[in-house]
Amino acid sequence: GALVYQYPRRTICKSGTSMRMECQAVGFQATSVAWYRQSPQKTFELIALSTVNSAIKYEQNFTQEKFPISHPNLSFSSMTVLNAYLEDRGLYLCGATHRAGNTLYFGEGSRLIVV
Amino acid sequence: QQKVQQSPESLIVPEGGMASLNCTSSDRNVDYFWWYRQHSGKSPKMLMSIFSNGEKEEGRFTVHLNKASLHTSLHIRDSQPSDSALYLCAARRNSGTYQRFGTGTKLQVVP
Repeated sequence: GALVYQYPRRTICKSGTSMRMECQAVGFQATSVAWYRQSPQKTFELIALSTVNSAIKYEQNFTQEKFPISHPNLSFSSMTVLNAYLEDRGLYLCGATHRAGNTLYFGEGSRLIVV
Repeated sequence: QQKVQQSPESLIVPEGGMASLNCTSSDRNVDYFWWYRQHSGKSPKMLMSIFSNGEKEEGRFTVHLNKASLHTSLHIRDSQPSDSALYLCAARRNSGTYQRFGTGTKLQVVP
């Protein structure tokens, strides 16, 4: 079956520091990976969509300078939250699919706590 | 920007009862809907998807779609306490390659 592993599960970082999270697809080829953030209020925001061999598309309010993403192959993607502040808190989820636009398989999320 | 609206925000139903959740997209180009369930502290897991007008049933779960109004609904019959979770609706634009999510409906099934 399709599985997505995401790590670390939880990070506490000081304000102004950075956090890197990784997403590993097992059992299928993750052609596309969508990174989302779920706020403490449960709002789900799309950060960016990464498709292998294509430019990464960032949503409004999210930039490559703040959330650089790497998607070097069909099983791995990573995203970094640079200079994290309180408003960056939340659960970061990677959703991978073998075919863009189809059902997403989510990792368990990386929770970012900023102190 | 495409918006996915879900209602109600929260819902309490008795065990064995029927839970009905709603979702509407404001984007006329949406062609596919998903329903995900997220238990507390866990990631969302896909429940059902639908892209054709009408109804789709899987066990206790039924999904309806009205493409003209871009409205989908999820109905859970014989609700169980284990159904208590956040239910997220997601929609995809036919020209896009990603899903946008609504803010969810928090369902609580009480014994």
